[in-house]
Amino acid sequence: EAGVAQSPRYKIIEKRQSVAFWCNPISGHATLYWYQQILGQGPKLLIQFQNNGVVDDSQLPKDRFSAERLKGVDSTLKIQPAKLEDSAVYLCASSLSNPGGQETQYFGPGTRLLVL
Amino acid sequence: AQSVAQPEDQVNVAEGNPLTVKCTYSVSGNPYLFWYVQYPNRGLQFLLKYITGDNLVKGSYGFEAEFNKSQTSFHLKKPSALVSDSALYFCAVRDWGGGGNKLTFGTGTQLKVEL
Repeated sequence: EAGVAQSPRYKIIEKRQSVAFWCNPISGHATLYWYQQILGQGPKLLIQFQNNGVVDDSQLPKDRFSAERLKGVDSTLKIQPAKLEDSAVYLCASSLSNPGGQETQYFGPGTRLLVL
Repeated sequence: AQSVAQPEDQVNVAEGNPLTVKCTYSVSGNPYLFWYVQYPNRGLQFLLKYITGDNLVKGSYGFEAEFNKSQTSFHLKKPSALVSDSALYFCAVRDWGGGGNKLTFGTGTQLKVEL
């Protein structure tokens, strides 16, 4: 079974530029999560989707971050414009439909972003 | 809000010795607890979880964890450490804040297993 796929793996941009990350979850997984992991910290949720609907975006900086999952499968996370403090690893995770919270989240390899 | 704490930034252990990575939790209601491992330049790999039932949970690669409700702890253990176990370990708790069911992670513990 293929795991969660993410691209690109690495990205270097200058501040005020825009960047997009792509995630393809495990086949059949209805729930998709984007986490931000700053160096030396644990991952922090940015947004959770259930199929193509947003469940939780309470910690997403909406003035610069946006995400979509139009067909309920793959997802794109965008930053526009980027700031220095956005330098982090962006992790995508997926799980089976998870209303009870018991399902395991499986993570992709992440995209390492460096903002100069 | 749900939270977990990992009191040790780093744990050093000799190969062949038992290892313990500590985690304590603070939740309202019943906790759903998870352990993940992260190797350099890799994503998080799931090790094990506690949802309900037996307090001793067995997971991948010989790891196990003991849920202790009275001490609000969920320590990760392995009877005999391997050099290849050297990695960053995260404890996490299911968190329903915000309307979803995200994981809230600890700050991580770097495990170093030496020959």
